[in-house]
Amino acid sequence: DAKTTQPTSMDCAEGRAANLPCNHSTISGNEYVYWYRQIHSQGPQYIIHGLKNNETNEMASLIITEDRKSSTLILPHATLRDTAVYYCIVLNSGYALNFGKGTSLLVTP
Amino acid sequence: GAVVSQHPSWVICKSGTSVKIECRSLDFQATTMFWYRQFPKQSLMLMATSNEGSKATYEQGVEKDKFLINHASLTLSTLTVTSAHPEDSSFYICSARLQGETQYFGPGTRLLVL
Repeated sequence: DAKTTQPTSMDCAEGRAANLPCNHSTISGNEYVYWYRQIHSQGPQYIIHGLKNNETNEMASLIITEDRKSSTLILPHATLRDTAVYYCIVLNSGYALNFGKGTSLLVTP
Repeated sequence: GAVVSQHPSWVICKSGTSVKIECRSLDFQATTMFWYRQFPKQSLMLMATSNEGSKATYEQGVEKDKFLINHASLTLSTLTVTSAHPEDSSFYICSARLQGETQYFGPGTRLLVL
């Protein structure tokens, strides 16, 4: 699986958009970009995934660059409950998720 | 999203005893289930992958005789930590996936071995 690089930590004010970047320059053509988050002492929660096109669901938007070497997860209106560790993972469909260190997002009042 | 449950949510046991953790997919049939563990302030580490009706595939460094995995049905997988020791104390998390689809995670089981 391609390796990903994420900032260690980020802050965001409540009500503002949180933009979490991820670099995956070695991604191959059939690998998806997945985003999960883990709130303290809970199991990871699926957020969104994509292959080439931008994706949006009720939780977030995923913007993938045209060359697919990087992506951005957008939480449009962050709340205090969005404080968590966010993981960007690249993998082939059918394989297990391997978690890196992720980005620790702190949403402040 | 799909719902995955784990039982128990936490367990305390004496050193040398065995502990069984159950993982269930509640609203879908999971052809594959995964077991992870997470030590404090670290990321999740994959322990093993199990396909229904087959033997589990263990990651390097994970003892298959110590961590027994059974995936007897499409909705249930169990992890048994045999002869548990204090160093096995950790947060154990399972996930389940329908073939080719997204992985969904359980809430985790916190194990403390005294």
